[in-house]
Amino acid sequence: EDKVVQSPLSLVVHEGDTVTLNCSYEVTNFRSLLWYKQEKKAPTFLFMLTSSGIEKKSGRLSSILDKKELFSILNITATQTGDSAVYLCAVVLGGGATNKLIFGTGTLLAVQP
Amino acid sequence: DAGVTQSPTHLIKTRGQQVTLRCSPKSGHDTVSWYQQALGQGPQFIFQYYEEEERQRGNFPDRFSGHQFPNYSSELNVNALLLGDSALYLCASSLNWWRGIGYTFGSGTRLTVV
Repeated sequence: EDKVVQSPLSLVVHEGDTVTLNCSYEVTNFRSLLWYKQEKKAPTFLFMLTSSGIEKKSGRLSSILDKKELFSILNITATQTGDSAVYLCAVVLGGGATNKLIFGTGTLLAVQP
Repeated sequence: DAGVTQSPTHLIKTRGQQVTLRCSPKSGHDTVSWYQQALGQGPQFIFQYYEEEERQRGNFPDRFSGHQFPNYSSELNVNALLLGDSALYLCASSLNWWRGIGYTFGSGTRLTVV
């Protein structure tokens, strides 16, 4: 069964801290990995990763994929209260289940002032 | 540029009733996927529509059905509602279902079954 596991489930940090969120996966036909930020309802896109070892960056956020060890990390530096959200990791399947997304349960990040 | 639009935003139904949720995809997108997100969980894939046909389906019973219209908009229907169907229902649109370009989510419909 295709599975995506995120850790930790929740995290409380103070403004200015750096956090690392983890996502591991076991799927039959990997196509790509997506990171989303979900504040209230709509998940908003952060990164798409398809190749190992290539870091994607956007401001204070960065992410990298390791296809050999089957995991990805999302780093947030100099955290701000506006970073408080649920961060979702999703694997995009290929093959017969083309472009079906398998999500993890998410990491709830709370950034305190 | 209009994003993905879902309606209604909130809905309360009684067990046994039927419900229809609606989704308009982002301009230029032709594929619509539906997800169910229970409280504290990640979204679960329900099904995907392209060219008015169901292309893929997740592990959901036949009580969950859908439709896609010629203008690419889509409906999700749930019959014989159960308390366990209470969840946030998310619609995502993309271009070319086999390529999955530009996966974009709507704000969802919060369904409460009482």
